[in-house]
Amino acid sequence: GAVVSQHPSRVICKSGTSVKIECRSLDFQATTMFWYRQFPKQSLMLMATSNEGSKATYEQGVEKDKFLINHASLTLSTLTVTSAHPEDSSFYICSAKGPRPNIQYFGAGTRLSVL
Amino acid sequence: SQQGEEDPQALSIQEGENATMNCSYKTSINNLQWYRQNSGRGLVHLILIRSNEREKHSGRLRVTLDTSKKSSSLLITASRAADTASYFCATDSGNDMRFGAGTRLTVKP
Repeated sequence: GAVVSQHPSRVICKSGTSVKIECRSLDFQATTMFWYRQFPKQSLMLMATSNEGSKATYEQGVEKDKFLINHASLTLSTLTVTSAHPEDSSFYICSAKGPRPNIQYFGAGTRLSVL
Repeated sequence: SQQGEEDPQALSIQEGENATMNCSYKTSINNLQWYRQNSGRGLVHLILIRSNEREKHSGRLRVTLDTSKKSSSLLITASRAADTASYFCATDSGNDMRFGAGTRLTVKP
């Protein structure tokens, strides 16, 4: 149980386009989801906390208008990278607070490459 | 921002040997967790140790926590090639979770 599905797993796009990444909790309801960014061989950097039905809380230094987060239902949060540029290329991972307290359940990640 | 530092950054051992990874952190925590990440994949939760616990076991995993030193260690005994992955500690302050820099473990068959 407690599966988080992240889609797409890989996306290549042209500079200036927008990319949407979906994060779904398949067998549980997630009132809180998290979005992380990970550079090669580095740790996860928390970008924002997504709460169902309210605005996301962004970490310092993360551009809200650049990385749009929508958590419209208890099972779905989306991250949209707007007007993507090559420097946005990275591995994006979502997670959700699940049925076991204090434990986060992670999606498989999305590798974004902006040409 | 990252919470903790882990050492070593990379560890290479032979199958059957034990692997020890360390994590230090800076702020007060409710619990500390260890996660595993295979290359290019999401993270998988391994074990959680609460701030009032000192040691915890799960299969071949042994975790210690020293809140006075703000440090934790993860021991993997009798390692296998399939244990090759990156291991991250994560501190839970109650508001969010912060990850350490990770240790890349390579277990050679």
